[in-house]
Amino acid sequence: AQKVTQAQTEISVVEKEDVTLDCVYETRDTTYYLFWYKQPPSGELVFLIRRNSFDEQNEISGRYSWNFQKSTSSFNFTITASQVVDSAVYFCALRPSNAGNNRKLIWGLGTSLAVNP
Amino acid sequence: NAGVTQTPKFQVLKTGQSMTLQCAQDMNHEYMSWYRQDPGMGLRLIHYSVGAGITDQGEVPNGYNVSRSTTEDFPLRLLSAAPSQTSVYFCASSYSTGSVPSGTIYFGEGSWLTVV
Repeated sequence: AQKVTQAQTEISVVEKEDVTLDCVYETRDTTYYLFWYKQPPSGELVFLIRRNSFDEQNEISGRYSWNFQKSTSSFNFTITASQVVDSAVYFCALRPSNAGNNRKLIWGLGTSLAVNP
Repeated sequence: NAGVTQTPKFQVLKTGQSMTLQCAQDMNHEYMSWYRQDPGMGLRLIHYSVGAGITDQGEVPNGYNVSRSTTEDFPLRLLSAAPSQTSVYFCASSYSTGSVPSGTIYFGEGSWLTVV
C-alpha cells in the first residue's frame, strides 16, 4: 500500500520558535519521490522541495530544512525561527515509481501551522 | 512565464448547471491533472493526462469530464453540478519521461466552486 501520514493536524507556535512537521510514508517501491508543498491562506499550492529516494542528504534552504530517513520512512520538515508568514497548511506527498502508480501523487492530509506574534 | 493558469478563481453554480474550469500551462509539460481539495480529505485526483489526446481517470472521476486536444490546455467539465462538487479545484502539470510524470509538479492557484 502507498500512504502518506502527517500525524500532526494542527500546530501552533509563537514567532521565532523552531517547529518540525512530521511526514511518514509507506511504499514498497525502491524508487520514489517525496515532496513538500505549502498552502498559505490565499489558497495556492507552492512547491517547496522534491527529494528522490536515492538521495538521503538533508537539505537546508534558508530557515527551512528537511530530514529524509529511509530507515524510518520519514521526511520531516523543520522551520527555524518561525515567522508569521510561515502560517499555512503544509502537505507532504509521495510519488511511487512503479508503472501504473507513478502517474499519481499520494498526499498526506496536511498539517496546519499557525505562527502567532 | 505564467506557469499554470486556472480560471475562474471563484464560481457559484446552481444544481444541475454545467460549467468548465479552464487550465492552461506554458511550460510544454506533457503531464496534466486535476485535483479537488476538501476538508479532511486532502487532495484527490480527478482526472489526468499524459499527453495530447490521452486522458485517464483518477480517484474521483464521477461527474467530471476532461479532454486534452492540445499540450497546453486541460479543461475540466462538470456535466450536471451537484452540491457534493462544492470544493476547491487545482490543476497541475509536470514534465514526463515517456508517459509518466517526472520532476516537480506545478499547481495552478485554485478554483473555488460552490454548488447551491
